[in-house]
Amino acid sequence: QKEVEQNSGPLSVPEGAIASLNCTYSDRGSQSFFWYRQYSGKSPELIMFIYSNGDKEDGRFTAQLNKASQYVSLLIRDSQPSDSATYLCAVRNYKLTFGKGTLLTVNP
Amino acid sequence: SAVISQKPSRDICQRGTSLTIQCQVDSQVTMMFWYRQQPGQSLTLIATANQGSEATYESGFVIDKFPISRPNLTFSTLTVSNMSPEDSSIYLCSVTDLDGRNTEAFFGQGTRLTVV
Repeated sequence: QKEVEQNSGPLSVPEGAIASLNCTYSDRGSQSFFWYRQYSGKSPELIMFIYSNGDKEDGRFTAQLNKASQYVSLLIRDSQPSDSATYLCAVRNYKLTFGKGTLLTVNP
Repeated sequence: SAVISQKPSRDICQRGTSLTIQCQVDSQVTMMFWYRQQPGQSLTLIATANQGSEATYESGFVIDKFPISRPNLTFSTLTVSNMSPEDSSIYLCSVTDLDGRNTEAFFGQGTRLTVV
């Protein structure tokens, strides 16, 4: 059973702080790694993807991948109340497998 | 990214009936998928919709319950058959283009189904 594990949260951070979201996966053959944001009642929205070990930055978001540790993380700098959502980690080895998501709340 | 139109956006159905959900993409895509998201849960892959051949179903999902069509590279349908309240869920169409390393998946807006 290929699994993707996330802390369900809720993770609560003050506005302007760094939010750190973590994800581990079991399938060592996984090749692509994604972070989706899902607002309540909406469909998932892709915010970051990463294929290689290391860091990838896009605006306030940084994705980090460590394949040896089977670990993916997402950092959100200068968190805003509009970042409050569920963040889904997804891992691909042919098909996408999703974690259950971490609920992030950014408090004004 | 591809623009995905899914309809209906929501529906309330009687148990024992069937509902067909449509997914239309604004460009040809290699892969189309159907997911289910039950209340408070993450996304579970139902099947891969294959163009011109039978869909590939994941464990726990069968064609009789979730027949899928994909007549071309831009369109697919998912039917939820003989519905029961346990089928109440959000159903999502997803597409991806396995073109080199461009393997991001994008989602339609989803169909919120309530079975009464």
